[in-house]
Amino acid sequence: KAGVTQTPRYLIKTRGQQVTLSCSPISGHRSVSWYQQTPGQGLQFLFEYFSETQRNKGNFPGRFSGRQFSNSRSEMNVSTLELGDSALYLCASSLEGTSTYEQYFGPGTRLTVT
Amino acid sequence: AQSVAQPEDQVNVAEGNPLTVKCTYSVSGNPYLFWYVQYPNRGLQFLLKYITGDNLVKGSYGFEAEFNKSQTSFHLKKPSALVSDSALYFCAVRDATGRRALTFGSGTRLQVQP
Repeated sequence: KAGVTQTPRYLIKTRGQQVTLSCSPISGHRSVSWYQQTPGQGLQFLFEYFSETQRNKGNFPGRFSGRQFSNSRSEMNVSTLELGDSALYLCASSLEGTSTYEQYFGPGTRLTVT
Repeated sequence: AQSVAQPEDQVNVAEGNPLTVKCTYSVSGNPYLFWYVQYPNRGLQFLLKYITGDNLVKGSYGFEAEFNKSQTSFHLKKPSALVSDSALYFCAVRDATGRRALTFGSGTRLQVQP
């Protein structure tokens, strides 16, 4: 089975722009979560989606948004980029939306904001 | 609220020696506990999980972890470390209700010296 794929892998944007990141989960997985990873803050949870519904949301400003499509693919959008948004954005999928299932992570999208 | 503490930023061990990476958690109700590993420029990889049952959980690459409810700990162990085990290790917890997202610790860098 193919793993979680994320596109693009690397992105450079300018402050004030907006960006959309894409995640394709493992086939059959219906739950997708997004995380932001930075050296200073570690892994911070952004959103969790299950069957197109947002189940949980982390403590991020409204500039961060996401959605999940009927095929379980997910996108996250960051508007009005700030320098502090530079990070590795990780997507993870799991088989079901229950707590017992482990998450499988993609390689991440490295976003640099200049 | 739920939280995870990884008290050591870095653990150094000689190849062939046993290793332990510490994790303590705080959660309401029963915990579901996970260990993940991250190699440079990669996403996280699932190692093992504790959901219920035997307190000693065996996972990938010879790793195991022991759940201790009274000490609220879930330490990761391996009897004989390999240089290739050098990576960043994350402990994570989620409560059994699933109403909260997976919470990660700050990570512990494991350095195995030849």
